Amino acid sequence: ETGVTQSPTHLIKTRGQQVTLRCSSQSGHNTVSWYQQALGQGPQFIFQYYREEENGRGNFPPRFSGLQFPNYSSELNVNALELDDSALYLCASSVAGSSYEQYFGPGTRLTVT
Amino acid sequence: RKEVEQDPGPFNVPEGATVAFNCTYSNSASQSFFWYRQDCRKEPKLLMSVYSSGNEDGRFTAQLNRASQYISLLIRDSKLSDSATYLCVVNKNDMRFGAGTRLTVKP
Repeated sequence: ETGVTQSPTHLIKTRGQQVTLRCSSQSGHNTVSWYQQALGQGPQFIFQYYREEENGRGNFPPRFSGLQFPNYSSELNVNALELDDSALYLCASSVAGSSYEQYFGPGTRLTVT
Repeated sequence: RKEVEQDPGPFNVPEGATVAFNCTYSNSASQSFFWYRQDCRKEPKLLMSVYSSGNEDGRFTAQLNRASQYISLLIRDSKLSDSATYLCVVNKNDMRFGAGTRLTVKP
């Protein structure tokens, strides 16, 4: 296993609600990236955090936001949930400045009804 | 045009077969390249990095052609346990994934 953990495993929310997903990175890794994976698609990059700062963002609206803490764990927050936000949310940790190999957690499956 | 495009699949092959996956990418400034495998309802797992000189890991061989912006993965002597979705990944400032190619290896 990679040592990357995520919580919760599954979550059901209703449209308009807010959700917070959590990720603990692998020991020794200081960078966390978040991805959204819809059914049948590859993961789509949401954003990356390095040393508690956002370090790149994909094509996602501002209602997707995040945090990284001093211990390098991270949160993904999504406001005003929409039905299309239903997906598997993956976080991946890596060592910045390396070959960018990323190691994924098991994901949080979010269902918006 | 998608940034990373893969063979649509699915690939259904018998045990012992050799199977090849192809991938093209659009950003010529991409810096690093990977193949990940993803089992059903699981997270992607790093299979191998891909280097310009080509690299091999057991039954798996990856090739990169920067001029053609093309990446390949060859699996020899396929096993039942190789059944998964294979994701091509290209990195410049962030990781861009292809949609994946589903492989099923049958007895």
